[in-house]
Amino acid sequence: RKEVEQDPGPFNVPEGATVAFNCTYSNSASQSFFWYRQDCRKEPKLLMSVYSSGNEDGRFTAQLNRASQYISLLIRDSKLSDSATYLCVVTKVSGSARQLTFGSGTQLTVLP
Amino acid sequence: GAGVSQTPSNKVTEKGKYVELRCDPISGHTALYWYRQSLGQGPEFLIYFQGTGAADDSGLPNDRFFAVRPEGSVSTLKIQRTERGDSAVYLCASSLTPGAGTLHFGNGTRLTVT
Repeated sequence: RKEVEQDPGPFNVPEGATVAFNCTYSNSASQSFFWYRQDCRKEPKLLMSVYSSGNEDGRFTAQLNRASQYISLLIRDSKLSDSATYLCVVTKVSGSARQLTFGSGTQLTVLP
Repeated sequence: GAGVSQTPSNKVTEKGKYVELRCDPISGHTALYWYRQSLGQGPEFLIYFQGTGAADDSGLPNDRFFAVRPEGSVSTLKIQRTERGDSAVYLCASSLTPGAGTLHFGNGTRLTVT
């Protein structure tokens, strides 16, 4: 089983739609959680951190359920510019090890 | 300010050859990571440096892969006896704080082994 699993999609949604992505992780010792965004043939960039209480940044809402080892990202009022691959990231710190493990990504296309 | 710089941006090499990929992190970032990414996959962890030392090299796939960071800034990923399966985009990232989730990635080196 992969450490971080995501639905690969693709998700094709019309402009203005609300879309949600899910991510599950297998290591209960995971400590921090993030969503990254990667445009086609570009490098990943941090979108937002995910906090235990849930957090919002404009049209984006992230939630964490530690008991179920589950992370979600909700995008409201989708824009064409939201089209990208969204990567779920889980971190584990153990001694000198600092691993950030990426999921395979969920591809989103927002259609006009 | 300058971001993470990786050179070359593209590298085509023949099977069996040796390659070096270079990463110049953001100035002052002590943590440096190497990842590789194949088409349709997320970045796969290779190695993490804190300063000059490789604090976690558990992601290196085999002993053909080696990385150094002798002065705690620039890092070089070295691949010996390249194989076609090594073809991927090799991404370098740095962060100000070890273990922080805010990684700043370079544009990557696209390695093609023919």
